[in-house]
Amino acid sequence: SSELTQDPAVSVALGQTVRITCQGDSLRSYYASWSQQKPGQAPVLVIFGKNNRPSGIPDRFSGSGSRDTASLIITGAQAEDEADYYCNSRDSSGDHVLFGGGTKLTVL
Amino acid sequence: QVQLQESGPGLVKPSETLSLTCTVSGGSITITSYYWGWIRQSPGKGLEWIGSISYVGRTNYEPSLKSRVTMSLDTSKNQISLNLNSVTAADTAVYYCGRERPYCSGGYCYSIFDSWGQGTRVNVSS
Repeated sequence: SSELTQDPAVSVALGQTVRITCQGDSLRSYYASWSQQKPGQAPVLVIFGKNNRPSGIPDRFSGSGSRDTASLIITGAQAEDEADYYCNSRDSSGDHVLFGGGTKLTVL
Repeated sequence: QVQLQESGPGLVKPSETLSLTCTVSGGSITITSYYWGWIRQSPGKGLEWIGSISYVGRTNYEPSLKSRVTMSLDTSKNQISLNLNSVTAADTAVYYCGRERPYCSGGYCYSIFDSWGQGTRVNVSS
C-alpha cells in the first residue's frame, strides 16, 4: 500500500528512552526521514538515511530500520523533545511523497 | 544556508483559486537534484503532501488533488508557485513549501526534506 502508519501518541518519562515507529511497504526500499514539529512551528528534519543527523540535532536522536518498519529513537528524552514527529518517504514508483500520520510525543 | 518563505492571500473564497508563492534565498531553485514541494496541514491534522516540482520543472501531484493543482518555477525570481483551483473549506490549512532531495544509492532510496518555510495560513471562507 502507498501509506506510512504511525502510532498517534506515545509518552515517555523524562530521561528515559522512547521508540517511535513508522510502518509501510515503501520502507523496504526507502530509508525513512524523520521531522519534528513543535506547536505553531514548521517541521525540522532530525534524522535521515540509515542514521544521520543534520547539524545541530542532538545525538540523543537516532534512527533504525528493519524490513518495512523504521524507528526514531530518543535516548534520554528531554522536556524540549515534546512534539509531533513525522516520518516520510516516497512510494514505490518514486513519483509521490508519503508522510506518516504523525506521532504526538509527551514527555512526562 | 537556503531559506524559504511562503506568501499569498490569507483568505480565499470558495470556488476560487488559491495562489501561493515560495521565495527561495541562499540557493538556486535550479540546483541539480533538488525538488521543491508544497505540503499543507489542516487545523489539528498531520502533514499532507500536495505536490513537487523538480529543478527542471517536472511535476508530480498527490492523486486526490491532481485535477486541481498546478505548480511552476519562476527562475528569474527564484520562486516556486502553487495554484489550487475550486477551493472549498476543506482546503483551509497552513501551507508549507519544502526543499526535498530524493535520490537512490547503494540499493536504498531517500526522500529528505532538509529545509522548510515557516508556513502561511490560508482560510477558505466567503
